[in-house]
Amino acid sequence: NAGVTQTPKFRILKIGQSMTLQCTQDMNHNYMYWYRQDPGMGLKLIYYSVGAGITDKGEVPNGYNVSRSTTEDFPLRLELAAPSQTSVYFCASSYNSGANVLTFGAGSRLTVL
Amino acid sequence: QKEVEQDPGPLSVPEGAIVSLNCTYSNSAFQYFMWYRQYSRKGPELLMYTYSSGNKEDGRFTAQVDKSSKYISLFIRDSQPSDSATYLCAMSATGRRALTFGSGTRLQVQP
Repeated sequence: NAGVTQTPKFRILKIGQSMTLQCTQDMNHNYMYWYRQDPGMGLKLIYYSVGAGITDKGEVPNGYNVSRSTTEDFPLRLELAAPSQTSVYFCASSYNSGANVLTFGAGSRLTVL
Repeated sequence: QKEVEQDPGPLSVPEGAIVSLNCTYSNSAFQYFMWYRQYSRKGPELLMYTYSSGNKEDGRFTAQVDKSSKYISLFIRDSQPSDSATYLCAMSATGRRALTFGSGTRLQVQP
C-alpha cells in the first residue's frame, strides 16, 4: 500500500517556466489537498478537492492551478514560475474532512531561479 | 494576528526529559485538535487527535486541550533521540474543509 505518492522529489525551474507536480493516492480517499511549507511558516493550503471534478481555493492559490479528473490523482500546475514559489510542496489526502486525519506525501522540493 | 500561534524553537532537551509543546489559538469555533510529527525532509504524520476539551494519552505522549484558555499542549515523557523532529499543531472547526496548522516547533533530544 503506497499511500500518497508525489513526483518529482526535487526540481529546479527558471523564472517563467511551467511545470506540474504529480500526486496520486491509492486509499480511495475523497479529499485531497495541496500545501506549501516555507521555513518557519508552517503549512499553507493552496487548493483542495472534495471529490473528482470538484476543486476549491485555499489560503494561497495565486499562481497555481489544479484539476481532479479521477479519485486517485490531484496534479498541481505552476504556469509562470516565480522565485516566491520556491518552497516544499506537500500533497495530502483524507477519507473525509470531518476526521481531519491527513495522510501526507513525502514532499516535492521546488527551487525557482 | 495568526489563528494559530506556535513557538518555533528549537527546543533542546536531554534524553529522558519531559517535553512540553504548546499552541494557542484565537478561533473559538475550533473543535478538532491534532499534533503532527515531521522528521527532516519527510511529510508530516499524525501523532495525536483530540476532539473538544480534555486529555488523551497514547504511550509516552499526552495531548491536552483547554478550550476555555484556547490552549493545547503535547507532553512527551521519557523523551528519546528518535523523538527529534518538528511538531506541528493543527486544528479545525465543524464545516471547515481543511486544517489550520501552527508553524511547528523543532525539538532536539540529546543522547
